[in-house]
Amino acid sequence: DTAVSQTPKYLVTQMGNDKSIKCEQNLGHDTMYWYKQDSKKFLKIMFSYNNKELIINETVPNRFSPKSPDKAHLNLHINSLELGDSAVYFCASSSTTSPQFFGPGTRLTVL
Amino acid sequence: AQKVTQAQTEISVVEKEDVTLDCVYETRDTTYYLFWYKQPPSGELVFLIRRNSFDEQNEISGRYSWNFQKSTSSFNFTITASQVVDSAVYFCALSEALGGATNKLIFGTGTLLAVQP
Repeated sequence: DTAVSQTPKYLVTQMGNDKSIKCEQNLGHDTMYWYKQDSKKFLKIMFSYNNKELIINETVPNRFSPKSPDKAHLNLHINSLELGDSAVYFCASSSTTSPQFFGPGTRLTVL
Repeated sequence: AQKVTQAQTEISVVEKEDVTLDCVYETRDTTYYLFWYKQPPSGELVFLIRRNSFDEQNEISGRYSWNFQKSTSSFNFTITASQVVDSAVYFCALSEALGGATNKLIFGTGTLLAVQP
């Protein structure tokens, strides 16, 4: 059973398009996150949600809009994609007593 | 500000050698948590260990061991008798809390470990 899942695994799209990445966790955690890993492998948090409420927004461009329909899901919508958005996006989840567990990542390539 | 430094960008060893990955952190918090994650070539991030700032006891798990020293702000990771399957990028991370919404992980830049057969 997959604990944190993301779809799609790969996403190739043209500049200017809008795309979404979905994340689901079946761990019963109440907090979910999005991280971005750039081409140099550097990992940085983008957002965190707790019980569907946005808690952390790390100065991410407002073209990125997370949405959490319920505690088990956190989606990431990106408008007007730019070349610099190409990266691997990781979803993660945790509880108040557990470390963060990560999804398999979504490799986004903007052409 | 919180910061994690992994000075070793790449390490190459031959199978069965022991290898230590260094991690130095900076934080003003008195309570904090340290983590190691493994990212194999397949790309996923695998949780290895967490440590809280009040527990300086070293930990051993099979061929893996961790040395936490608050005096030097270090949390080093040693792999004994390395194997090819250990080849991966290893990330050290720091957070001010264990869980909850404010628990953002501050990652180091990672160390690429290549274990040659």
